[in-house]
Amino acid sequence: EPEVTQTPSHQVTQMGQEVILRCVPISNHLYFYWYRQILGQKVEFLVSFYNNEISEKSEIFDDQFSVERPDGSNFTLKIRSTKLEDSAMYFCASSPDSVRTDTQYFGPGTRLTVL
Amino acid sequence: DAKTTQPPSMDCAEGRAANLPCNHSTISGNEYVYWYRQIHSQGPQYIIHGLKNNETNEMASLIITEDRKSSTLILPHATLRDTAVYYCIVRLYSGGGADGLTFGKGTHLIIQP
Repeated sequence: EPEVTQTPSHQVTQMGQEVILRCVPISNHLYFYWYRQILGQKVEFLVSFYNNEISEKSEIFDDQFSVERPDGSNFTLKIRSTKLEDSAMYFCASSPDSVRTDTQYFGPGTRLTVL
Repeated sequence: DAKTTQPPSMDCAEGRAANLPCNHSTISGNEYVYWYRQIHSQGPQYIIHGLKNNETNEMASLIITEDRKSSTLILPHATLRDTAVYYCIVRLYSGGGADGLTFGKGTHLIIQP
């Protein structure tokens, strides 16, 4: 069964550094999402992406965040200057372009640790 | 999206049916009830969704009350692998759309051997 993959599984970085989290969505899906989950807290929506542009974003998704689909398979989340509070699990998800379903399929996550 | 209320935790014996309640008294007529679950820090996993009729798939059944103000997710024969946090989410159907999901705190279901 096709699945969303994410790399790396764990990323450790120093405060102020830039990080890029990578995702490979399910191949025939056209909607892509990033969520984050701070340890012990709720899963929070960050951004959705469709047709090479941001479709929706939350208040968390400020100027330090950006997303990109650099090629036909990858979907990336960049954090420009990481802060301690960016430490969290980051989940990528994708969904098909279909009126028959809006199920979002999540990847296993990248654990980001900012020191 | 309408607000949902779920118990913070529940226990269920292995092999028994697990019944997870959700209250959504402010649900509007065109909002659906979705259930996702998250097994120990893995990515959330879709389970089922419905509008007003009861729904069943290979994972679970969803029972929605006639007034749609509450629903119950039923795992018919719970196994240890069903231990997870279960999220009830009420939202508009966005087939062909890109709306983000709003997760609450969910119910931590613990299956006891």
